[in-house]
Amino acid sequence: DAGVTQTPRHEVAEKGQTIILKCEPVSGHNDLFWYRQTKIQGLELLSYFRSKSLMEDGGAFKDRFKAEMLNSSFSTLKIQPTEPKDSAVYLCASSLQGNTEVFFGKGTRLTVV
Amino acid sequence: EQQVQQSPASLVLQEGENAELQCSFSIFTNQVQWFYQRPGGRLVSLLYNPSGTKQSGRLTSTTVIKERRSSLHISSSQITDSGTYLCAMASSGSWQLIFGSGTQLTVMP
Repeated sequence: DAGVTQTPRHEVAEKGQTIILKCEPVSGHNDLFWYRQTKIQGLELLSYFRSKSLMEDGGAFKDRFKAEMLNSSFSTLKIQPTEPKDSAVYLCASSLQGNTEVFFGKGTRLTVV
Repeated sequence: EQQVQQSPASLVLQEGENAELQCSFSIFTNQVQWFYQRPGGRLVSLLYNPSGTKQSGRLTSTTVIKERRSSLHISSSQITDSGTYLCAMASSGSWQLIFGSGTQLTVMP
């Protein structure tokens, strides 16, 4: 599968723990996005990278959320410390560049207890 | 103000009927994309249609930029079409996809 790959698919964390979610974008894509999806809020943008440079660091999500892109084919999203309200599905997406079609991974379902 | 409005919020059809989903934007856009999602499933890109009409199988999307709207037509609906349809847009010069709340489609046998 040459699509966006996310690991793990499910994560359970205790409140206060640090978790790291991983994403591999579509090969050759320059833009990478992290979103959070909940039933109430829908899809919210957390971070955006263009050619590995952080373009948007998520505003309200800044304090405990940190996304990094060490190379063009791998990104991580760290949540530290986790809180129960962080329970959601975290989605990674990529696109070639600019205003082009965006492809999503299957997501990581995070449950914080 | 919500920048992307979708209607209807939910739709129930009999198998074989056609569906018309609407999306309107509060600002001008040059990027419109329709997605499909089953509960617990991946967001699947259906059509990338920044302007004009695009078709893929039983799906047809029409985007009218100057009227700030896009529609998705599903012909001859099937039970497996059930799920949530999301419309997303990015404003001109922006990179951020903004999503609507979705239309929940249920196709009954």
